[in-house]
Parts: sequence; structure tokens; C-alpha cells
Amino acid sequence: ETGVTQTPRHLVMGMTNKKSLKCEQHLGHNAMYWYKQSAKKPLELMFVYSLEERVENNSVPSRFSPECPNSSHLFLHLHTLQPEDSALYLCASSQGTAIYEQYFGPGTRLTVT
Amino acid sequence: AQSVTQLGSHVSVSEGALVLLRCNYSSSVPPYLFWYVQYPNQGLQLLLKYTTGATLVKGINGFEAEFKKSETSFHLTKPSAHMSDAAEYFCAVSPMDTGRRALTFGSGTRLQVQP
Repeated sequence: ETGVTQTPRHLVMGMTNKKSLKCEQHLGHNAMYWYKQSAKKPLELMFVYSLEERVENNSVPSRFSPECPNSSHLFLHLHTLQPEDSALYLCASSQGTAIYEQYFGPGTRLTVT
Repeated sequence: AQSVTQLGSHVSVSEGALVLLRCNYSSSVPPYLFWYVQYPNQGLQLLLKYTTGATLVKGINGFEAEFKKSETSFHLTKPSAHMSDAAEYFCAVSPMDTGRRALTFGSGTRLQVQP
């Protein structure tokens, strides 16, 4: 595997379900990000992890819970979601602090029914 | 604080024609600027970036962009469109200081290339 991978690629879940999205980066980076991409809206930054420590949380509802067990893996745990949470969830990674060039995974298309 | 405005959510050009996608930014500190491309069912891929130095930057697939500080613009161009350029393009800004890592994205411009 190369680059940034995300699983699953597609997920359909009910509002009472609990599921997790997984992201893995194979680039040796030290920062990882979760973004939400909804139709007709700019990409929204959700969380930033640097050296496995959460450094940013952009007022995301508590039904989204991130976890970064090591610098290569990032999870997004989901529970009691709402239909408006349906979106493409993108993971990204970067290296260093000077230039924030980010490498993105293909995303997980989430549908909440 | 930063913001990005992309003029035109949809742009349509003929194959072989000039591509011009507009991006204006607002930043309280000197910015780093980026263009990303997203093909259907894929994540974002970096096309090019401006950090410091030369204001005309060249990227992959024949694209280039020019940083114009006086106009707070970073428009993306390609002299001759190809069918494979059809995708969504995002302009993004990041502050040049080290305080915040994240990118602020524009709403995106969907490029259609007509045969």
C-alpha cells in the first residue's frame, strides 16, 4: 500500500448504529487530519492530530470521536449520527510544520439513514 | 483568519482552449497557497503550491498559477485543456506562521471539458 488509504470506501448506517472509519498513511508523516466534504460546501476541517496528540477540534459534535493510536493510523468513531452527517469523509496527512502540504486519501462515502 | 473565494462553481471549456480558474484569498498573515484537484470518487491531489520566491509556479499536468499579492489572487491556468482535466479544483490557503497546520479551502470549481 502506498500513500493514504481509507476503509471502508462506502458505509451505510442507521442513526442508532456505531461504526468506525479507518485511515492509514504510509508516508512517514507526523500529522493527520479528518475533513468532511458535503455537497455544495467547502471542505470542513474536523480534527488535527500532531505526533498522536489532538491539536485541533473545530467544534465537531461529540457523536464524532477521533482516535490516533500512532502516527500512521487515524480512526473516526461514529455513533448516533444524523442524516445531515451524510458526506464524504477525507483523511489527510502531512510532514513538518513549515509547509502544510497535505496528502489525501480517497475518502469514505457515508450515508446515514 | 483566512478565507478563499473561488469565482464560478462551474466552468466549461472546449478541448484545446485556455483554462482559467479564479481564486482570491484573504489572510491576516503571509499565506501559503495551494491548488488541489479531485477526480470522481477520489481524494484530493496536490496540483501545485506557492510558498516563497517565484510568484509563477508550475505544477503537474501542465497547470500553473501566479501569486499576485496586490490582487490577493492565485488563479490557475492551463494553455490547452484536455478531456482528462475534467474534475473539481480547490484552491486553499494556509498561514505562513507555524501556529495552525490546517488548510482553508474554497468551495471548489467543477471544470467541464467539451470535445
